[in-house]
Amino acid sequence: IAGITQAPTSQILAAGRRMTLRCTQDMRHNAMYWYRQDLGLGLRLIHYSNTAGTTGKGEVPDGYSVSRANTDDFPLTLASAVPSQTSVYFCASSDHAGGPVREQFFGPGTRLTVL
Amino acid sequence: AQSVAQPEDQVNVAEGNPLTVKCTYSVSGNPYLFWYVQYPNRGLQFLLKYITGDNLVKGSYGFEAEFNKSQTSFHLKKPSALVSDSALYFCAVRDEGYQKVTFGTGTKLQVIP
Repeated sequence: IAGITQAPTSQILAAGRRMTLRCTQDMRHNAMYWYRQDLGLGLRLIHYSNTAGTTGKGEVPDGYSVSRANTDDFPLTLASAVPSQTSVYFCASSDHAGGPVREQFFGPGTRLTVL
Repeated sequence: AQSVAQPEDQVNVAEGNPLTVKCTYSVSGNPYLFWYVQYPNRGLQFLLKYITGDNLVKGSYGFEAEFNKSQTSFHLKKPSALVSDSALYFCAVRDEGYQKVTFGTGTKLQVIP
C-alpha cells in the first residue's frame, strides 16, 4: 500500500509558468488537503475537499486552484507562479467515515522553487 | 476562531532524559488535539490525539501527551529520549464546531547523545 504519493518530488519553475502538483491516495479516504510549509510559519492550509466533487478554500488559497474529480486524486494548480509560492507542498488525506475526528495522512511533499 | 502556539522553536535534551514539547491552544468550543512528527525530507506522521476522556493520551514510539483544560495545554512528553526522536514536532487543534485543523509552527527536538 503506497498511501499518498505526490509528484514531482521537486521542481524549479520560472515565474509566470503554470504548474500542477499531483496527489494520489489509495486509502479511499473521503477528505483531502493541500498545505504549504514555510520556515517559521508551520503548515498552512491552501485548499481542501471533504468528498469527491467538492472543494473549499483554506487559509491561503490565492493563486492556487484544485479539483476533485474522483476519490483518489487531488491536483493543485498554480495558474501563474510567483516567487512567493516557493515552498514545500504537502498533500494529506483523512477518513471521516468512522467519525468526525480522524488524523491526517501526509504525502512525502513537493519542493517547489519559483524563480 | 482557533489557534495553537508552540512557544519553543527548539528543544535540546540529553539522551535518556525526559523530554517535553509544549503546546497551548485556543478554541471556542471543545478541542480536538493532535501531535505529528516530521523527519527530514519527509511528510508529517501522526503520533497521538485527544478527543475526549482520559487526559493522558498515549501514542506511538513511547510518546504521550497530557490534556490540561484549565491551562489550555497539550504538552508532548516522553520519559526517556532517544537520539532517533530528533525531529520536528507539530501540535494541531480543531474546534469541535469547525471542520479544519490548525497547525502550530513546529518545535525542533534535538536529542544529544
